[in-house]
Amino acid sequence: GNSVTQMEGPVTLSEEAFLTINCTYTATGYPSLFWYVQYPGEGLQLLLKATKADDKGSNKGFEATYRKETTSFHLEKGSVQVSDSAVYFCALSDPGGSNYKLTFGKGTLLTVNP
Amino acid sequence: GAVVSQHPSRVICKSGTSVKIECRSLDFQATTMFWYRQFPKKSLMLMATSNEGSKATYEQGVEKDKFLINHASLTLSTLTVTSAHPEDSSFYICSAKAGTANTEAFFGQGTRLTVV
Repeated sequence: GNSVTQMEGPVTLSEEAFLTINCTYTATGYPSLFWYVQYPGEGLQLLLKATKADDKGSNKGFEATYRKETTSFHLEKGSVQVSDSAVYFCALSDPGGSNYKLTFGKGTLLTVNP
Repeated sequence: GAVVSQHPSRVICKSGTSVKIECRSLDFQATTMFWYRQFPKKSLMLMATSNEGSKATYEQGVEKDKFLINHASLTLSTLTVTSAHPEDSSFYICSAKAGTANTEAFFGQGTRLTVV
């Protein structure tokens, strides 16, 4: 079955530091890949996505590239801010079914200190 | 993006009682809604998928009679935890999407259920 493995947290950084959160996946076919963010006390929000190999998703300074050869979708940001503190989830959608169910990783808690 | 509202955000109930959680799509018609459960330090676990007007499809290991899902309209799905027990305490999150293509799913704020 499909699965997503992402970097165990928590991750603590200082403001303006470089961020990488690793994510690898196993899936049949050609899934779409997502990063979701969950701010404290809120639901999940889509941060970025990529639907095919070599696509780069980007939003709010975050980037991730769909690497089929390494089955990875690592999240990066060049300079984090305190407001980026949240839990980040890597996910894939199963293209085999009509509902495109999402499979999530365990989440990585990021704390950015001023 | 589109808005999905989940209610209540927190609920405490006694063992043996039932609790209903609502998930509403406020500005779009949600043909498909998903219910997830999030354990501490764990990922979101998909519990069931519901399509408007039809019975929900439950994931393996999820008790249908325990977690009743109703998706009677294009804007509302409900999850009822029946005869709740302390082990049902968890964070429940719904998501909703329009159409059947690979469109974005929008998430509710989640419901923290505590069974005492």
